[in-house]
Amino acid sequence: DQQVKQNSPSLSVQEGRISILNCDYTNSMFDYFLWYKKYPAEGPTFLISISSIKDKNEDGRFTVFLNKSAKHLSLHIVPSQPGDSAVYFCAASPPTSGTYKYIFGTGTRLKVLA
Amino acid sequence: DTEVTQTPKHLVMGMTNKKSLKCEQHMGHRAMYWYKQKAKKPPELMFVYSYEKLSINESVPSRFSPECPNSSLLNLHLHALQPEDSALYLCASSLTSGSSYNEQFFGPGTRLTVL
Repeated sequence: DQQVKQNSPSLSVQEGRISILNCDYTNSMFDYFLWYKKYPAEGPTFLISISSIKDKNEDGRFTVFLNKSAKHLSLHIVPSQPGDSAVYFCAASPPTSGTYKYIFGTGTRLKVLA
Repeated sequence: DTEVTQTPKHLVMGMTNKKSLKCEQHMGHRAMYWYKQKAKKPPELMFVYSYEKLSINESVPSRFSPECPNSSLLNLHLHALQPEDSALYLCASSLTSGSSYNEQFFGPGTRLTVL
């Protein structure tokens, strides 16, 4: 039972355009969400996070939007650059403090075309 | 120092071997994690240590044995593994402040192949 889903396994975008990566979750009690980027043969790198009390968080070219009623979050990358080509994982954290347990989605492979 | 290091980068072992994976961080983080990642799958949590004590074991087989000798080090001892245990093993760390709102920082992983 996949509690965090990324329904698009891959996405191609032209350099300079916007990349939108989507993530859906099933547990309305999740209260913290993160996006990680992963290059081949490397560990995931933290990108940006958002807590459930917010609906938007911005950091440079990266913005995460949270729609709690739809149980949906998205990552916007503007403008997209070839170096952004990687696999992007969203992750959600259950509400119980101290468990430190993230549940990861299956990932979306982003390819930014020069 | 803002990174998590893991050794070795690659490991090939037979099913009767005993080996260990090592993880180190010097960010003052008090929570450390082991994940397993198979190809084209998300990372799966195996173990969590909080303040050097095992706090989560996700029903991992006993052929995987974690150890946290101090707040900076985390080991994963491997014995009698199966070929299906071949995967990328990721270590991560995070601050512990009583809140779950702490991002985890990952190491580069150890690529394990069991023959």
